[in-house]
Amino acid sequence: DSGVTQTPKHLITATGQRVTLRCSPRSGDLSVYWYQQSLDQGLQFLIQYYNGEERAKGNILERFSAQQFPDLHSELNLSSLELGDSALYFCASSAPGGWNEQFFGPGTRLTVL
Amino acid sequence: EDQVTQSPEALRLQEGESSSLNCSYTVSGLRGLFWYRQDPGKGPEFLFTLYSAGEEKEKERLKATLTKKESFLHITAPKPEDSATYLCAVQSRGAGNQFYFGTGTSLTVIP
Repeated sequence: DSGVTQTPKHLITATGQRVTLRCSPRSGDLSVYWYQQSLDQGLQFLIQYYNGEERAKGNILERFSAQQFPDLHSELNLSSLELGDSALYFCASSAPGGWNEQFFGPGTRLTVL
Repeated sequence: EDQVTQSPEALRLQEGESSSLNCSYTVSGLRGLFWYRQDPGKGPEFLFTLYSAGEEKEKERLKATLTKKESFLHITAPKPEDSATYLCAVQSRGAGNQFYFGTGTSLTVIP
């Protein structure tokens, strides 16, 4: 158990809908990272937050957005969902310092029908 | 452009048959190289961090090494429970200390 929690574990929805994925980092960690992992693809970095502020952006679509709240939990919002958005979404956290290893949560499996 | 390439894509070993996985990287200033293990449908599990060429880390049957261009994950006398996908990631000094992941090596250890 990495100490990173994600909810829900599974999410099934329809095209065009909007969903919110939630992540709680390990105690003491200030950075939260979001990744997308599709079938047969590697982990694609989406976005990073550090202590409530956006720190880095990867290949995140405009339909996707995220935020980190004062209690350091983070939410990833996915809107106007398409079939191709079906994937595993992982959240990771790391300790203060900026270049420490990331610890991953169990993931949310999103299925768009 | 920062890039990570892992080889082979898949590897099948007999139990006890040692081998190595490769991670080649190009990055504009390496902060660190990380190895993870991922079981199907689960989140990646952290294994090692390497920071500089010549560094080595060991954990049970796994040993990670680092040069200026690549890293190796050596698996000695593997067991079936070592079957998983092994991911390599590099952290760049640029672009907000972003992590770049390879696509992984899928290891199957046959009893």
